[in-house]
Amino acid sequence: GAVVSQHPSWVICKSGTSVKIECRSLDFQATTMFWYRQFPKQSLMLMATSNEGSKATYEQGVEKDKFLINHASLTLSTLTVTSAHPEDSSFYICSARDYHAHEQFFGPGTRLTVL
Amino acid sequence: QKEVEQNSGPLSVPEGAIASLNCTYSDRGSQSFFWYRQYSGKSPELIMFIYSNGDKEDGRFTAQLNKASQYVSLLIRDSQPSDSATYLCAVNYGTGNQFYFGTGTSLTVIP
Repeated sequence: GAVVSQHPSWVICKSGTSVKIECRSLDFQATTMFWYRQFPKQSLMLMATSNEGSKATYEQGVEKDKFLINHASLTLSTLTVTSAHPEDSSFYICSARDYHAHEQFFGPGTRLTVL
Repeated sequence: QKEVEQNSGPLSVPEGAIASLNCTYSDRGSQSFFWYRQYSGKSPELIMFIYSNGDKEDGRFTAQLNKASQYVSLLIRDSQPSDSATYLCAVNYGTGNQFYFGTGTSLTVIP
């Protein structure tokens, strides 16, 4: 099956710093990548949809200037949490799909803790 | 508004029994339907998908789709304690488009 990796798997940072999370499709070309956030015992919340070479489409309520998404190649998308605060602490998960595929494959997630 | 609804549970079944998970969706334009399993602290993993009315079987898992009634279900036969997880239903409206996820059903299989 298709493999999606994320790096780092966990990160702890101080309030006010920026954190970059990478999402890579290892064995297929991901024309679309999705970024989700999940708080403990809650459901997945879609943050944004990113198509290669285009600006990301953000869901309502998600600040695009705070959560910067770059999808510069067919195998890599990055999410940068700028000026992180404790309320940004969450489990961030990316997923990827090829345009012709039905499925969406998830990365292993990145656990962010902001002190 | 595209909504996907699941009973949050928790659903408990004894080991060896059949677990039945249900999902309803609001938009008749839905094209593909997915079941994901998520263990605590982990990201979702795909179990199976279905896009035609009827049943689709894969090992101990059977997905059932009824577009007229707008529901999709997942049956897990011979449930095992390792099946204990949250099961997410997702709906897609065409290739290249985003998925809409339900809130998930928590399943516990009791040894």
